[in-house]
Parts: sequence; structure tokens; C-alpha cells
Amino acid sequence: DTEVTQTPKHLVMGMTNKKSLKCEQHMGHRAMYWYKQKAKKPPELMFVYSYEKLSINESVPSRFSPECPNSSLLNLHLHALQPEDSALYLCASSQVGTGDEKLFFGSGTQLSVL
Amino acid sequence: AQSVTQLGSHVSVSEGALVLLRCNYSSSVPPYLFWYVQYPNQGLQLLLKYTSAATLVKGINGFEAEFKKSETSFHLTKPSAHMSDAAEYFCAVTAGGNQFYFGTGTSLTVIP
Repeated sequence: DTEVTQTPKHLVMGMTNKKSLKCEQHMGHRAMYWYKQKAKKPPELMFVYSYEKLSINESVPSRFSPECPNSSLLNLHLHALQPEDSALYLCASSQVGTGDEKLFFGSGTQLSVL
Repeated sequence: AQSVTQLGSHVSVSEGALVLLRCNYSSSVPPYLFWYVQYPNQGLQLLLKYTSAATLVKGINGFEAEFKKSETSFHLTKPSAHMSDAAEYFCAVTAGGNQFYFGTGTSLTVIP
């Protein structure tokens, strides 16, 4: 299994809503990532979890709250988002410390904030 | 610090023609270099990865890239473009660990 699965594929939410994005991988990867991608732009790193601990937070606003319940799951909780937060949110995973680190991406959640 | 620069945000080629997408890197340590492809409304898919084992790296879908240390380049090529190659292509670099740095991307158009 070389897949990273993200749900939902599409999400429309109002600025007062609370929603969550989910990501799952079963490759035994111990690093998991959230990226934000605007159209025709490269992915922007938001968060990295390594061994289920938050290791990188790229100064992301607190209305985005990541969670890593176990080594296979990664969530991104959304609250009080702004229209400019509309984007494709990508989850990725990778091995750690093997010298063969490469990112495996999910297909993303297309988020629209109204 | 590591970074990559992709020259040409848009490249158009005719079907059957050579594809050349340019990537130059900057790294204070021996880098790991990657090319990823992204089709519309999808995530990024790994095309190939350089890890110093060989300077010419073959990837999926007929793509290959050559690492040239003297030119700090890692250009992506394919001898004959296919319509299905139309996509966004990203070069990326890491020195290891969890920090991956992406280029700004090159949009490839294939003209029938």
C-alpha cells in the first residue's frame, strides 16, 4: 500500500463553521505533513509531525489546528477560517532517518471558505 | 540552506518533441533532489529522485534527469512528449530530515 488517503475531497464551509480534514497512510512512515497549495503555486509547508510529535509549525494561524492521533493518522481542524484560506490542502508522509526520505502525497482536499 | 529555482514558468512543446524542464539548486550539503508532477485537481506524484548513486536518474513515464554538480542543475527531460504529459512539474530539494523545498513550478503544455 503506497497510498496517502485524504478525506473529504471537497469541502465548502462558512467562516463560523468548524470542520476537520483527515489523512491516513499505512506505509509505516513516521513523518506526516500538511501543505497548503494555491492554484498554480507550489505547496507551502504548514506543519510536520515526526514520530507523532509536532516538529515544525510554519507560523500557521491558530485557526488551523493539527492533530496526530497515531502514526497512521493526521488531522487538520479548521475553525473560523477566512476566504483567503480557500486552497488545496495536501497531506504527505515520508520515512524518517533512512536516507531515502521522499514525500508521498494524497490527492488533497479542495477547500472553499464562503 | 537549500533552494531550487525553476526557469520558465510555462513550457510548450509539440507532441513527439523533446521535453526539457530546467531546475537549478542551491545547497550547502550534498542534496537529495526530486521531480514531482501534478495533474489538475490531484496531489503531487514523484517522478524521480537523485540520491548520489548515479548522476542520470530514470523515472516513471519515460522521464529522466541528470545531476550536474558543476552546473548545480537537475534538469528533467523526456525524448518524446505525449499529450498525457501536460501537467505542472515541481523540482524539490532536501538535505535530509523533514524539510523539503519546492520550486515555483513549470506548467507543461503539449500541442497536438
